[in-house]
Amino acid sequence: AQSVTQLGSHVSVSEGALVLLRCNYSSSVPPYLFWYVQYPNQGLQLLLKYTTGATLVKGINGFEAEFKKSETSFHLTKPSAHMSDAAEYFCAVKKETSGSRLTFGEGTQLTVNP
Amino acid sequence: DGGITQSPKYLFRKEGQNVTLSCEQNLNHDAMYWYRQDPGQGLRLIYYSQIVNDFQKGDIAEGYSVSREKKESFPLTVTSAQKNPTAFYLCASRKDRAFYGYTFGSGTRLTVV
Repeated sequence: AQSVTQLGSHVSVSEGALVLLRCNYSSSVPPYLFWYVQYPNQGLQLLLKYTTGATLVKGINGFEAEFKKSETSFHLTKPSAHMSDAAEYFCAVKKETSGSRLTFGEGTQLTVNP
Repeated sequence: DGGITQSPKYLFRKEGQNVTLSCEQNLNHDAMYWYRQDPGQGLRLIYYSQIVNDFQKGDIAEGYSVSREKKESFPLTVTSAQKNPTAFYLCASRKDRAFYGYTFGSGTRLTVV
């Protein structure tokens, strides 16, 4: 069963525009949620995470995400895109019942146009 | 600096040959993971290990084998039984008793010809 769904395999924005990358999860228990970024031929780097507490989470490079339990969503946003933001972004979920395993979405490739 | 080292960065092998991918970490992390990445499919878990001398199959373990003889090392062998081994392989680790996400290596791209 799919645990996390990223809507849109490719997103294209203009430099300076809002970045919105969508992630929905399926879980009947409170999840831990993560966003990772991957540059070409590199490993994944943690952008931000939600475990407990404040539902608006701020990460590195100006990104933030909001955990919305009622919508089962954890969308990633950045107010103003920069050329260096072009990369692939992965949403991931760890359910309390899954031990130490993370399940990743299929990824969203972000293109930033000058 | 602490981190995870995967080697080699690029690996070419002939069909039917076994090949071993190296993963070493000096973060003193307890758990280690191997993921396979294919375009449009995200990351799929192959094997993971939470302590030395113990490991569990992930979602796509067929055709792969691992060992965990030392805390720092978690090598992955891609055997000839793996039908489609060409992919990008990522190793990750996590400190036990806390879950703040994984630390990833920079990956090994395996091409089987």
